[in-house]
Amino acid sequence: AQSVAQPEDQVNVAEGNPLTVKCTYSVSGNPYLFWYVQYPNRGLQFLLKYITGDNLVKGSYGFEAEFNKSQTSFHLKKPSALVSDSALYFCAVRGSNDYKLSFGAGTTVTVRA
Amino acid sequence: NAGVTQTPKFQVLKTGQSMTLQCAQDMNHEYMSWYRQDPGMGLRLIHYSVGAGITDQGEVPNGYNVSRSTTEDFPLRLLSAAPSQTSVYFCASSPGQGMVNNQPQHFGDGTRLSIL
Repeated sequence: AQSVAQPEDQVNVAEGNPLTVKCTYSVSGNPYLFWYVQYPNRGLQFLLKYITGDNLVKGSYGFEAEFNKSQTSFHLKKPSALVSDSALYFCAVRGSNDYKLSFGAGTTVTVRA
Repeated sequence: NAGVTQTPKFQVLKTGQSMTLQCAQDMNHEYMSWYRQDPGMGLRLIHYSVGAGITDQGEVPNGYNVSRSTTEDFPLRLLSAAPSQTSVYFCASSPGQGMVNNQPQHFGDGTRLSIL
């Protein structure tokens, strides 16, 4: 069975500081990894994905994520956080031979001015 | 460009009532899915469909039925609502078919359902 762990329920950073949201996964076969963001009372919005190739993936709004196969991790990063980055972030994984997408429990990011 | 449209946005039901949550997409996506979101549990897959006429169970299918008669629509039915089904429900779609599906999903804005 595939699964995703987001070990931090909340991450708090000051505006302008680096932001990291952690994610580890378990899946059979090669992983397809995704990050989504959710703002209040809205659906999830796609940020970035890792399918194959370079371990560093760049996505929307200045976010990037690093795939680490040996540590089965896919941490989301942003070099300089903005107050507008405050939201709920979800990591998700799908096995390369599976239709089902599994989500982590989510991490609430708060960026203070 | 509507994307994924869910109706209604809010609904209150009494235990034992039935209802259908509607989901429609205008992107000609083959893959559609339903999730429920509960605090601290992320999103859990209820049912999914890889094309018209084809549906399958996800992680938490009990108490829910689906059908996919057209590419555009994927309704979710609660046959006899229970308080444990109080949740926020999201429909999502993505292009692509077959066993290798690496496309991101497009989500609707959700239906907030309360069962009394």
